[in-house]
Amino acid sequence: SQTIHQWPATLVQPVGSPLSLECTVEGTSNPNLYWYRQAAGRGLQLLFYSVGIGQISSEVPQNLSASRPQDRQFILSSKKLLLSDSGFYLCAWSDTSGGYTFGSGTRLTVV
Amino acid sequence: AQTVTQSQPEMSVQEAETVTLSCTYDTSENNYYLFWYKQPPSRQMILVIRQEAYKQQNATENRFSVNFQKAAKSFSLKISDSQLGDTAMYFCAFMKSHSNYQLIWGAGTKLIIKP
Repeated sequence: SQTIHQWPATLVQPVGSPLSLECTVEGTSNPNLYWYRQAAGRGLQLLFYSVGIGQISSEVPQNLSASRPQDRQFILSSKKLLLSDSGFYLCAWSDTSGGYTFGSGTRLTVV
Repeated sequence: AQTVTQSQPEMSVQEAETVTLSCTYDTSENNYYLFWYKQPPSRQMILVIRQEAYKQQNATENRFSVNFQKAAKSFSLKISDSQLGDTAMYFCAFMKSHSNYQLIWGAGTKLIIKP
């Protein structure tokens, strides 16, 4: 069966520090991968999606970036965090029928 | 562009009652998918139910069912015999066919089941 792992679960980082959130998928190959951000009490905002290794599409211009170094690995990064980067980050993958599976999320607080 | 509207920011019902959450969407597409996702306090996003637009029959998953009205662009979720564990945010989402499977999300409805 397919599983998705996302870590860390919680992160507190100072302004200006770097960020690396990682997501890996098991049990499937060539999945579509996504990074979403959710502000408190709000819906989901798509940040990046990837349809293959090295292929990244950005939906929202910001100081975040994403990379897909391996087929089932998706990384969200920043060189210098801003206070506005605080939020709940969700990784997800979808199969060819459009069904989504989400990771357990990372709560990021920038202080 | 496609949009998804959930007009009920918050709802509360007594345990065992039936509750209906509303969702409308706007699209010029003919082939698409609609979803309801549940996000409990743990914030794990869980798929509740999915509907393909080409199917006239409403999708059902145990206590969860939808009323899909394609002409009216309406996709409501009915929860029967509600349970305390149904307390969560519920999001309606839309996906075009052949779109890299990107979801367009509603703002969500906070559902509280009272004992």
